[in-house]
Amino acid sequence: SQTIHQWPATLVQPVGSPLSLECTVEGTSNPNLYWYRQAAGRGLQLLFYSVGIGQISSEVPQNLSASRPQDRQFILSSKKLLLSDSGFYLCAWSVWGAGELFFGEGSRLTVL
Amino acid sequence: RKEVEQDPGPFNVPEGATVAFNCTYSNSASQSFFWYRQDCRKEPKLLMSVYSSGNEDGRFTAQLNRASQYISLLIRDSKLSDSATYLCVVTAVSQGNLIFGKGTKLSVKP
Repeated sequence: SQTIHQWPATLVQPVGSPLSLECTVEGTSNPNLYWYRQAAGRGLQLLFYSVGIGQISSEVPQNLSASRPQDRQFILSSKKLLLSDSGFYLCAWSVWGAGELFFGEGSRLTVL
Repeated sequence: RKEVEQDPGPFNVPEGATVAFNCTYSNSASQSFFWYRQDCRKEPKLLMSVYSSGNEDGRFTAQLNRASQYISLLIRDSKLSDSATYLCVVTAVSQGNLIFGKGTKLSVKP
């Protein structure tokens, strides 16, 4: 069966510090991979999605970046965090065209 | 017009009540529709897909009206465990990504 792992689960970072969130999927090949952010009181915002290794589409201009170094690995990074980067970050995967998204358990980021 | 709009919440209902959530979408070419459930501080999980003919899963019924670009979710005989935020989700046509509504919070009280 397919599983998705995301870490760290919780982190508190100072403004200006770097960020790295990692996500891996097991049990499937060539999944679509996604990074979403959910800020307090707001809906899910798609940040990045990837249909293959090295293929990243950015939905929202910001100080975040994503990389997909391996088929089932998706990384969200920032060189310098802003206060506005605080939120609940969710990695997800899907099979192309199937529609259903499977989410990781999320990473709760607080930038102070 | 926002891509996916949902009823403003929260909905506070007693156990056993019937509650309905509505959702409208702006892209008439959207292909697939879903309802997700998100518990507090947890990740969203698929509740049910929404088919053109309407579909039912136990106490849950989903309806789609393409002409009006409208989706609904009906919950009958509400349980305390139904308390959650319900997200309306629509797929974009080309790249396969999903567009989420902001969600409607449901609170079922004893």
